[in-house]
Amino acid sequence: SQTIHQWPATLVQPVGSPLSLECTVEGTSNPNLYWYRQAAGRGLQLLFYSVGIGQISSEVPQNLSASRPQDRQFILSSKKLLLSDSGFYLCAWSVLGQGLDTQYFGPGTRLTVL
Amino acid sequence: DQQVKQNSPSLSVQEGRISILNCDYTNSMFDYFLWYKKYPAEGPTFLISISSIKDKNEDGRFTVFLNKSAKHLSLHIVPSQPGDSAVYFCAAHFGNEKLTFGTGTRLTIIP
Repeated sequence: SQTIHQWPATLVQPVGSPLSLECTVEGTSNPNLYWYRQAAGRGLQLLFYSVGIGQISSEVPQNLSASRPQDRQFILSSKKLLLSDSGFYLCAWSVLGQGLDTQYFGPGTRLTVL
Repeated sequence: DQQVKQNSPSLSVQEGRISILNCDYTNSMFDYFLWYKKYPAEGPTFLISISSIKDKNEDGRFTVFLNKSAKHLSLHIVPSQPGDSAVYFCAAHFGNEKLTFGTGTRLTIIP
């Protein structure tokens, strides 16, 4: 069965510090991978998605970046965090097949920037 | 530009009654719609979906209705149970698998 891991679960960082959130998927090959952010009072905002190693598409211009060094690993980074980066970050994966292109989400990381 | 809108941020329903969550969209290209359920501090989980070729899909207590002419879909939960209390997101996409999510509706089931 497929599983998705995210860590850390919670993170408190000062403004201006770097960020690295990791997501890994097990039990599937060549998944599409996604990073979302849920900010307070807002919906799920797609930040990045990737259809393969080294292939990253950015949906929202910001001070975040993403990388996919391995097939089932997706990393969200920032060189300098802003207060507005606080939120709940979710990684998700999907595999297109027979129209059942639902996305499966990880447990999320709660980021607080102070 | 919010292409998928959930205009009710919250909804309270008595246990046993029907819960109706609404979602409107603006992009007529969307051809697949999904509902996700999210508990606090957890990732959303897929609940039910519907293709644009259908107007209704049912799975147990959950039914999704799609009105393409009105660009509107709704999720019906009947009967509502305390474990249904969560945030519900509708989502839509076409072609390329990127989902566009609504802002969510917090459903509270009152015992």
